[in-house]
Amino acid sequence: RKEVEQDPGPFNVPEGATVAFNCTYSNSASQSFFWYRQDCRKEPKLLMSVYSSGNEDGRFTAQLNRASQYISLLIRDSKLSDSATYLCVVSGAGGFKTIFGAGTRLFVKA
Amino acid sequence: NAGVTQTPKFRVLKTGQSMTLLCAQDMNHEYMYWYRQDPGMGLRLIHYSVGEGTTAKGEVPDGYNVSRLKKQNFLLGLESAAPSQTSVYFCASSDAVARGGYEQYFGPGTRLTVT
Repeated sequence: RKEVEQDPGPFNVPEGATVAFNCTYSNSASQSFFWYRQDCRKEPKLLMSVYSSGNEDGRFTAQLNRASQYISLLIRDSKLSDSATYLCVVSGAGGFKTIFGAGTRLFVKA
Repeated sequence: NAGVTQTPKFRVLKTGQSMTLLCAQDMNHEYMYWYRQDPGMGLRLIHYSVGEGTTAKGEVPDGYNVSRLKKQNFLLGLESAAPSQTSVYFCASSDAVARGGYEQYFGPGTRLTVT
């Protein structure tokens, strides 16, 4: 079993749609959780951190369920510019044991 | 403020050749990392460093060596390249965890092909 697993995708959605990404992790001692965005042939960039209480940043909402070892990212009112690969990232103590999921590709179409 | 830069951007090597990838950061970050990214596998940590003069092995260290002689630079060496090392290599840096530095900042990547 992979340490961090994501929906394989790709997701193809029309503009304005709501899309949800799911991620599970296997190490219950994991301490920090993130969503990164990676555009085609570019480097990953932090989209948002994920907190136990859930957090929202504009059209983006991230949720963490420690009991189920599950992380989610919701994008509302999808834009063409949201097309990218979304990486689920989990870190252990000290930040060194950082595991990246394989990513889920999103295509938003007009 | 350039952030994290990597040299070169592209390289083609023949099996058995050696090369060094250079990573530089101007954010005064303590931690630096080298990853490789292969299709369908996500980023995998090769080596990392928690400060000048220190290095440690990550998930896939075999076939690679690293050095961090200066705080701002982290070098990744391939002593004898193999086709299995064809990949995209990303360098990243972050501030010390004690200062809340979990976010990693990535360089633009080096695309390496070994024939």
